[in-house]
Amino acid sequence: AQTVTQSQPEMSVQEAETVTLSCTYDTSESNYYLFWYKQPPSRQMILVIRQEAYKQQNATENRFSVNFQKAAKSFSLKISDSQLGDTAMYFCAYLSGNTGKLIFGQGTTLQVKP
Amino acid sequence: DVKVTQSSRYLVKRTGEKVFLECVQDMDHENMFWYRQDPGLGLRLIYFSYDVKMKEKGDIPEGYSVSREKKERFSLILESASTNQTSMYLCASLLGLAPYNEQFFGPGTRLTVL
Repeated sequence: AQTVTQSQPEMSVQEAETVTLSCTYDTSESNYYLFWYKQPPSRQMILVIRQEAYKQQNATENRFSVNFQKAAKSFSLKISDSQLGDTAMYFCAYLSGNTGKLIFGQGTTLQVKP
Repeated sequence: DVKVTQSSRYLVKRTGEKVFLECVQDMDHENMFWYRQDPGLGLRLIYFSYDVKMKEKGDIPEGYSVSREKKERFSLILESASTNQTSMYLCASLLGLAPYNEQFFGPGTRLTVL
């Protein structure tokens, strides 16, 4: 069975600085996708960034980028130039390309401080 | 834009009651999911469905059942609610398993069982 682990329950960063959220996963599948989702306080879950396992190039979306280490089964999220609006809970997720099952990590609560 | 709606934002029920949580999506997505979200545990998959009348157990199906009679609607049923089912319930939908597909979430239903 696949698992996703986020080992940092809470993190904080000063506004305009860079922060990295960690995620590791375990799978025996070769066809899968990885995602980072953001859940702002009392608001709906939204997609931040996605990565296909077969792509070696790390995904980037504006201030958000990932460090995908396939052999190590690691998928960290880097947020550059942190903004107050980045304050949220962040979830790492694994999507099986075979079953369509999406599995989430425990979440990391990020606080951006002014 | 894809819209996923859930029948209630807040729900209070008594132990032993039968509870229905409804989820509707408006973009003809094949796959629909029910998760529960608890602090420190992230999102855990209860059930998912990849087509009408099809269902698959997730990681924590005990005490729950689901129904998908129409493509746009996916219902979660608590046959006899218990206090340990007090949680936030999130519904999501996904268009197939092609690359770059994003899982869209509803706003969530916070269920309290007294």
